[in-house]
Amino acid sequence: SQELEQSPQSLIVQEGKNLTINCTSSKTLYGLYWYKQKYGEGLIFLMMLQKGGEEKSHEKITAKLDEKKQQSSLHITASQPSHAGIYLCGADMIGGSNYKLTFGKGTLLTVNP
Amino acid sequence: NAGVTQTPKFQVLKTGQSMTLQCAQDMNHEYMSWYRQDPGMGLRLIHYSVGAGITDQGEVPNGYNVSRSTTEDFPLRLLSAAPSQTSVYFCASKQFSGNTIYFGEGSWLTVV
Repeated sequence: SQELEQSPQSLIVQEGKNLTINCTSSKTLYGLYWYKQKYGEGLIFLMMLQKGGEEKSHEKITAKLDEKKQQSSLHITASQPSHAGIYLCGADMIGGSNYKLTFGKGTLLTVNP
Repeated sequence: NAGVTQTPKFQVLKTGQSMTLQCAQDMNHEYMSWYRQDPGMGLRLIHYSVGAGITDQGEVPNGYNVSRSTTEDFPLRLLSAAPSQTSVYFCASKQFSGNTIYFGEGSWLTVV
């Protein structure tokens, strides 16, 4: 079974709409990374969360790690076509390493103009 | 800034051939790692290194070798390529005290 579940697998939204992507684990997340990937390109670092209840924002993207440190959400406000791509969550599920990540399968986001 | 550089970008191999995927970083990062990305599987860790001369296996190490003779370079070797190794390969690096893991742009490998 997948240790890190991402939902939804794909998402189609109209430009200007808000959306949320979830990343859930049955184990404690010692570090949670969010990346964005355009098809055929590398991974672009978005944010990293470590503390329970932590929330970070960058432009119109906000990521949260719940108090139990087993779920993270990525929220995009007023989506734009430039937000389209694959969003990946990667987690340190060992603790202390923060460099050996387990990844979710990704969420494909399409933003229609 | 170069960051993490991977070569080649694209490669087609015949079954049984050998090749090396190159990875270099210019940020003096201690940690380096290799992942493969397959449809429906996400990224999976192949091998990693915590410093020059030190390497260890990740989740899917079979069929791959690595070495870390310098801080900057972390090549991934396929000794006898198999069709199951058709994938996109990503190299990543991280500073010991940092929180950001930097990824290269990927190497697309097809084994026929």
